[in-house]
Amino acid sequence: AQKVTQAQTEISVVEKEDVTLDCVYETRDTTYYLFWYKQPPSGELVFLIRRNSFDEQNEISGRYSWNFQKSTSSFNFTITASQVVDSAVYFCALSSTGGFKTIFGAGTRLFVKA
Amino acid sequence: GAVVSQHPSRVICKSGTSVKIECRSLDFQATTMFWYRQFPKQSLMLMATSNEGSKATYEQGVEKDKFLINHASLTLSTLTVTSAHPEDSSFYICSARSSGNTIYFGEGSWLTVV
Repeated sequence: AQKVTQAQTEISVVEKEDVTLDCVYETRDTTYYLFWYKQPPSGELVFLIRRNSFDEQNEISGRYSWNFQKSTSSFNFTITASQVVDSAVYFCALSSTGGFKTIFGAGTRLFVKA
Repeated sequence: GAVVSQHPSRVICKSGTSVKIECRSLDFQATTMFWYRQFPKQSLMLMATSNEGSKATYEQGVEKDKFLINHASLTLSTLTVTSAHPEDSSFYICSARSSGNTIYFGEGSWLTVV
């Protein structure tokens, strides 16, 4: 069975702080994809990143960075110098390369205060 | 880039009536589409997998007679909530898989049953 765990339900930080959102996953598949999505209050899902299970390189995109560690089945997301506009719910997700069903974690609600 | 569009974005219907939500892939063909439901402050839960030209595969606990899914073409899947009740009020969101196995999400549809 596949499972995604986001243990942090809510995080509150002050603007300009760095914040890391944790994601731990479980799968028996050898090939899979991991994702992070942002969901602002309006509801739409904003795609942030997709990572293939064979690619363990960390990635940086502006203030965003991701740390993928297969050994610990984790795919953590760090926002550097957070801004108020980063306030949203962030979902980590896992997709098998077979059926491509995407399983979402419970989400982490991030509040960034000015 | 590829876009998945949902319509309507918001709908209010009376209890006991049926409502249809459309999911369209605008510039690619999607052999597989997925439907999710999200209750307030909860995660996205997969309802069903829709394959073009065949019956949808429903997740455990999802009533197939209540949530009718039709995937009549490579660019359109519809979700019909039959005999809607207030407890069906939710955020419904679809995703579509491209031939390159990339998943794209629609903007979501807010359903309120009164």
